Amino acid sequence: NAGVTQTPKFQVLKTGQSMTLQCAQDMNHEYMSWYRQDPGMGLRLIHYSVGAGITDQGEVPNGYNVSRSTTEDFPLRLLSAAPSQTSVYFCASSYFSRGVNTEAFFGQGTRLTVV
Amino acid sequence: AQTVTQSQPEMSVQEAETVTLSCTYDTSESDYYLFWYKQPPSRQMILVIRQEAYKQQNATENRFSVNFQKAAKSFSLKISDSQLGDAAMYFCAYRSENSGTYKYIFGTGTRLKVLA
Repeated sequence: NAGVTQTPKFQVLKTGQSMTLQCAQDMNHEYMSWYRQDPGMGLRLIHYSVGAGITDQGEVPNGYNVSRSTTEDFPLRLLSAAPSQTSVYFCASSYFSRGVNTEAFFGQGTRLTVV
Repeated sequence: AQTVTQSQPEMSVQEAETVTLSCTYDTSESDYYLFWYKQPPSRQMILVIRQEAYKQQNATENRFSVNFQKAAKSFSLKISDSQLGDAAMYFCAYRSENSGTYKYIFGTGTRLKVLA
């Protein structure tokens, strides 16, 4: 039972490079999201999706793109990496059921350094 | 917009003692859920406990319990008989039931140190 799988676990980029952080879940969850974690700022929502073909912006979307072509996958693209995007990135998924207290399941995170 | 505030950046507790981590939130909604997550040095986010806003009874999971005060919009976590393995970052989180977006909103975290 894999849960939420993020790759890679670590990445170093040069300023201006682009890359894609991968996220896959095998729990058939409708809801998937990307967060970044910075010291003293908690987890801030970048983008989220409530189902295949549907995405929306979170709190800090600038510099990032997402797409949701399947229920399982939700990749995060950094278009032109900047040092301000140095952070730990988490993918999370959850299922919907109104009236049911469903928690978010997290991947193991990606530590990204932009030099 | 909803917000979650954790006013204690860092806390320390002696092994076997009890510690309480504070969390307050702001919302105009009546239906929502609250969570405490633990993040050990491994970076993995682990659910500790959850609470439904419509339940008056405080949630309990073994050594972990919450004090949920809906009117005060307060959701503190009590850890009893603290163990070295409890040392971690703890995040309080809010999820709306009404918005239709089901976003989880996190606080800034409290780092808990457990002293032997």
